[in-house]
Amino acid sequence: NAGVMQNPRHLVRRRGQEARLRCSPMKGHSHVYWYRQLPEEGLKFMVYLQKENIIDESGMPKERFSAEFPKEGPSILRIQQVVRGDSAAYFCASSPSSGNTIYFGEGSWLTVV
Amino acid sequence: AQSVAQPEDQVNVAEGNPLTVKCTYSVSGNPYLFWYVQYPNRGLQFLLKYITGDNLVKGSYGFEAEFNKSQTSFHLKKPSALVSDSALYFCAVRDNTGTASKLTFGTGTRLQVTL
Repeated sequence: NAGVMQNPRHLVRRRGQEARLRCSPMKGHSHVYWYRQLPEEGLKFMVYLQKENIIDESGMPKERFSAEFPKEGPSILRIQQVVRGDSAAYFCASSPSSGNTIYFGEGSWLTVV
Repeated sequence: AQSVAQPEDQVNVAEGNPLTVKCTYSVSGNPYLFWYVQYPNRGLQFLLKYITGDNLVKGSYGFEAEFNKSQTSFHLKKPSALVSDSALYFCAVRDNTGTASKLTFGTGTRLQVTL
């Protein structure tokens, strides 16, 4: 019974490139959440998605960041034209449709050089 | 808006002693409260949650937490700390409006257990 799967675990991008982070939720989970953790800081909510719908994107930066959760396949967090300040750990979490607990993946560490 | 406060950046305790990691919350409705633990370079692991019922909630690895509505607190406790408990602990809250909503996390408390 696999948990939340994130890939890549580590990603290095040069400034101006694009970063794509993927997340496969736990089996049976239809809700996906993305959080960002900056070094020595807590988790900041970014976006909450259900299949084919963005439910809450109040934590997403207005530019360069987008997220999707298609009917088939993993959820994708896309960061265009990355800057050094985007360097962080990006965590995906999932929950069942009627559940309260969210379960986290191991994270994707993005380094922008 | 919902929020969580973890007033201590770090808690130091000797192995074998009891530990408490503090958390207070603010939410418009009744709260759902959670504790997670994070080890270095890892994701967050769920420890325990309060939804309703008994104010004392028991969770993984011998941890427990006490919900106090009047003080809007949900402190994490363990009777006897282990060195292996050393990690970063996050308290989180969501409201119970009946629709799924995001978890809001505190800034985390680093627990250091020493021999």
